[in-house]
Amino acid sequence: DAGVIQSPRHEVTEMGQEVTLRCKPISGHDYLFWYRQTMMRGLELLIYFNNNVPIDDSGMPEDRFSAKMPNASFSTLKIQPSEPRDSAVYFCASSLEISGGASDTQYFGPGTRLTVL
Amino acid sequence: QQQVKQSPQSLIVQKGGISIINCAYENTAFDYFPWYQQFPGKGPALLIAIRPDVSEKKEGRFTISFNKSAKQFSLHIMDSQPGDSATYFCAASRDDKIIFGKGTRLHILP
Repeated sequence: DAGVIQSPRHEVTEMGQEVTLRCKPISGHDYLFWYRQTMMRGLELLIYFNNNVPIDDSGMPEDRFSAKMPNASFSTLKIQPSEPRDSAVYFCASSLEISGGASDTQYFGPGTRLTVL
Repeated sequence: QQQVKQSPQSLIVQKGGISIINCAYENTAFDYFPWYQQFPGKGPALLIAIRPDVSEKKEGRFTISFNKSAKQFSLHIMDSQPGDSATYFCAASRDDKIIFGKGTRLHILP
């Protein structure tokens, strides 16, 4: 298995531009998570999906952020318009279950390093 | 209620020594406590996890100690090796919530 795939690995953009991050979860996993990692705030859960349906988006910082999961093998996180304070590493993770069983391990992708100038 | 406090922020240990990272949580509803290990340029990966019905879990050189009454748990790395140098995150979860600590950057001196 290739694991969780994220693209691009690095993104540099200018303030005000739209940014789209992409994720392909592990096949068969029912849950998909988007995280943001910064030195100041650590690892923050932004949103997660169960069977392609958004369950909890309370971690999404602002309306500028949106996420979709049109099918079981693809998800996007979009920032429009982007701002310098959005600069961070964004991780996608997937799991079979969210917690409570042997299959609740989250498998993280390699992340997308976003820099907004 | 939802915070997981992790300490220290950074830790330097001599090769062969014991590395200890501590976490404290507030919400007694949490029922799963994983530790994740992250190497530079990589995503976090599950290292070891524990449930509150046991006080200790050991896997190789890695041990989680869990104190339910104090709402604290810790990761012990015995015989620490330079390859253990990484960032470690504790987490607490229940049902649809998982909260991560802010991480500990561990450096093992050769």
